[in-house]
Amino acid sequence: QLQLQESGPGLVKPSETLSLTCTVSGASNNIDESYWGYIRQAPGQGLEWIATRSYDGIRYNPSLKSRAFMSVDAVKNQLFLSLTSVTAADTAMYYCARRAPFGSGHYFDYWGRGTLVTVSS
Amino acid sequence: EIVLTQSPGTLSLSPGETATLSCRASQSLSPVYLAWYQQKPGQAPRLLIYATSSRATGIPDRFSGSGSGTDFTLTITRLDPEDFAVYHCQQYESTPYTFGQGTKLDVK
Repeated sequence: QLQLQESGPGLVKPSETLSLTCTVSGASNNIDESYWGYIRQAPGQGLEWIATRSYDGIRYNPSLKSRAFMSVDAVKNQLFLSLTSVTAADTAMYYCARRAPFGSGHYFDYWGRGTLVTVSS
Repeated sequence: EIVLTQSPGTLSLSPGETATLSCRASQSLSPVYLAWYQQKPGQAPRLLIYATSSRATGIPDRFSGSGSGTDFTLTITRLDPEDFAVYHCQQYESTPYTFGQGTKLDVK
């Protein structure tokens, strides 16, 4: 059974860079052969798509104004997300998820439980 | 950006009843690009429905999706105590991929 586990710093100061790791286990193939994404949920708000690595590269939500960077380490079975110049508005639960396979559509069929990040001085 | 509006915000029902949740898009969507998720406190969101009406693996047939154009519906029949949760819709027709604000289904 595919499992995703997010980890992060918990607390980040304003203007600093947030760095998150997602460890993937139980994958039936190399994680480079699958598609992965990040989604977040601010307190009391809906879900917000951040980024996805698909067959055609990495797509980002324009609302993040080029502050987000996503990468994959297939050797370590890990995904990474960094978000620069954070503000209080970036306080949220951050989820990593697997995007449905090629041809299925850009929805997410497996999710981690999330890691809470608070931006505060 | 396609905005999804879910209603009602909270739906209070009893076990055994039928829940009808709405997701309205700010512009017409192809039915193949609408998904629904269930989220319980402290748990990962779970995919229920994709392409408007296709159930994900392991999802009971009490859950069904329908709709077209701008109006989509998730219907849950014979509510089980395990079904009380928050439900989110998502469009994946165009970037940025967007979600509704969620409908909380709670016990009456």
